[in-house]
Formats: sequence, structure tokens, C-alpha cells
Amino acid sequence: ELKVEQNPLFLSMQEGKNYTIYCNYSTTSDRLYWYRQDPGKSLESLFVLLSNGAVKQEGRLMASLDTKARLSTLHITAAVHDLSATYFCAGIFMDSNYQLIWGAGTKLIIKP
Amino acid sequence: DGGITQSPKYLFRKEGQNVTLSCEQNLNHDAMYWYRQDPGQGLRLIYYSQIVNDFQKGDIAEGYSVSREKKESFPLTVTSAQKNPTAFYLCASSIGGRDGETQYFGPGTRLLVL
Repeated sequence: ELKVEQNPLFLSMQEGKNYTIYCNYSTTSDRLYWYRQDPGKSLESLFVLLSNGAVKQEGRLMASLDTKARLSTLHITAAVHDLSATYFCAGIFMDSNYQLIWGAGTKLIIKP
Repeated sequence: DGGITQSPKYLFRKEGQNVTLSCEQNLNHDAMYWYRQDPGQGLRLIYYSQIVNDFQKGDIAEGYSVSREKKESFPLTVTSAQKNPTAFYLCASSIGGRDGETQYFGPGTRLLVL
């Protein structure tokens, strides 16, 4: 079964702290995506990771991919309130017929 | 400006009624998708289309129907057979094919049952 599992599902943290969201998947992935969703809004594409060892950074967010461990991480550095959102990872897999398989999302609340 | 539009923003459905959600894109994307999102949950795929005049069922297609008569349009009909339609519906598009799967999302339609 194709599965994408995120943890934690809920994270409350203080501004200025660092934290990591984990995304594990069940089989070989062609590529891995991270999206952001603000409450009541649509999804915004953050990163696409195409190969083992890929690392992408945008501001305080950094995403990485380890295809051998079947793991992607989204690291938040010195969190600020504006990063409060729900973050989803999704992957394209050999058996998914080019369709994205989605994680359940991590709801991130950053307190001042 | 290129993008994906969905209408209406809010839609109310009466018992036994079919309703249609609109999705239009001017990105010249081949592939289009419909997702359902329940409160506090992730996305579930309803239908997708890789090319005009062709579409496939996703994980939760029962009670829904689609058409893809034009490249830029992919309307979703929520039929009376869908007994629990209250949700946030998201349309997305992508270039399509093996190397173009980044999906771009519309603003969504929130469907409520009266």
C-alpha cells in the first residue's frame, strides 16, 4: 500500500525555536513535494525534491530528501508567527500512476 | 495573469439536488484534478484528467461526476448520490506527464448542505 505519513500531526512552538516535520513514505519515490495551507485557504506549493540528497531552502524553511531512508524533512529555523499553517507532504511513486499521494498534514502553531 | 479559478466560493445544496462546481485554468496545463478536504483532514482525490475527453476515478469518486470537454475546464458535479457532501473542494492542475506533476491549486469551493 502506498502511504505517506507525517509526524507530528500537530505542533505548537514558540517563536525563535527550531523544529522539524518528518514525512515518511512506503515505497520508492520519484519526487516529493511540500505544500502550505493557511486556515480556510487553498494550498501553495513550497518545494519539490527530485533526487536523493536534494535540499531546498526558502527563507526560514528548508526541505530535504533521503530516498534511501524514504524520508523527507521540513526544517523550520527561528520560527516566526507568519509560518503558522498546515504543511503537507506528497509524493509521486512508481506505482501511483503519476498521482500525488498525500500525507495527513502537520498543523503548526507558532506562539509569540 | 495565469491561474486557476473556482466558482462559486460558497455553495449550498438542498437534499436530492445535483450541484456543479466550476474549475477553469489558463495555464495551458494538460492535467486537472479534483480533491475533497474535510475539516482538519488531508486531501482525497475524487477524479483526475490527464488529457481532454479523458478522466479517471480517484479514491472517492462515488457520488461525483466530471467532464473534460475543453483543456481549460474541468467541472465537478456533486450528485444526490453523495450523501455527505459537506466539504472544501479543491481543483488543481499540472503540466502533466512524468516530469510535470507539481500541482497548482485554485482557491476552493466550500459546499454546505441545507
